Amino acid sequence: DAGITQSPRHKVTETGTPVTLRCHQTENHRYMYWYRQDPGHGLRLIHYSYGVKDTDKGEVSDGYSVSRSKTEDFLLTLESATSSQTSVYFCAIKLAGPGELFFGEGSRLTVL
Amino acid sequence: GESVGLHLPTLSVQEGDNSIINCAYSNSASDYFIWYKQESGKGPQFIIDIRSNMDKRQGQRVTVLLNKTVKHLSLQIAATQPGDSAVYFCAENMHGGSQGNLIFGKGTKLSVKP
Repeated sequence: DAGITQSPRHKVTETGTPVTLRCHQTENHRYMYWYRQDPGHGLRLIHYSYGVKDTDKGEVSDGYSVSRSKTEDFLLTLESATSSQTSVYFCAIKLAGPGELFFGEGSRLTVL
Repeated sequence: GESVGLHLPTLSVQEGDNSIINCAYSNSASDYFIWYKQESGKGPQFIIDIRSNMDKRQGQRVTVLLNKTVKHLSLQIAATQPGDSAVYFCAENMHGGSQGNLIFGKGTKLSVKP
């Protein structure tokens, strides 16, 4: 079975501080994604990766950066967190079909 | 299946009845549609998908119907069980190919009454 570990699962931080969320997969899936989920907006794509050092922007990428130095790890960084980035962040990997994503358990971030 | 403001559309059904969850999608060029289920406190879970060249696809207790004329997607759950209680999202793959970038709808909350 595909496995994803997100860390941290919960974080409270203050406005202006940097935050990095980590997504670790146990298999060599090529595509990895970061989504955020907010009430009234559903899930929105932040960034995705299609290989080591290959990343691209999603629909809500402003204020976020990503890195993928190893196949198994996909990092999401908020350089200077803002209250509007309070959200639940989900990492996902793409399985067989064009839209078959396997999601992690989520990381709840609160920016005060 | 689209929400208004912060409130999710809610569907309440009796255990054992059939459920129908609806979704309107936005892009007539989308070629792939997917339904996800999200239980409280968990990540979304893939249920079933359908390509744009199909009208209907069946899985185990679930059926997805696609009406491209009116850009409408529905998920039918047969003999709904308490374990089906969750938020259901439709999603479309607007780019096709293998990228898997999805646009999600805002979700419908299904509550199953025992």
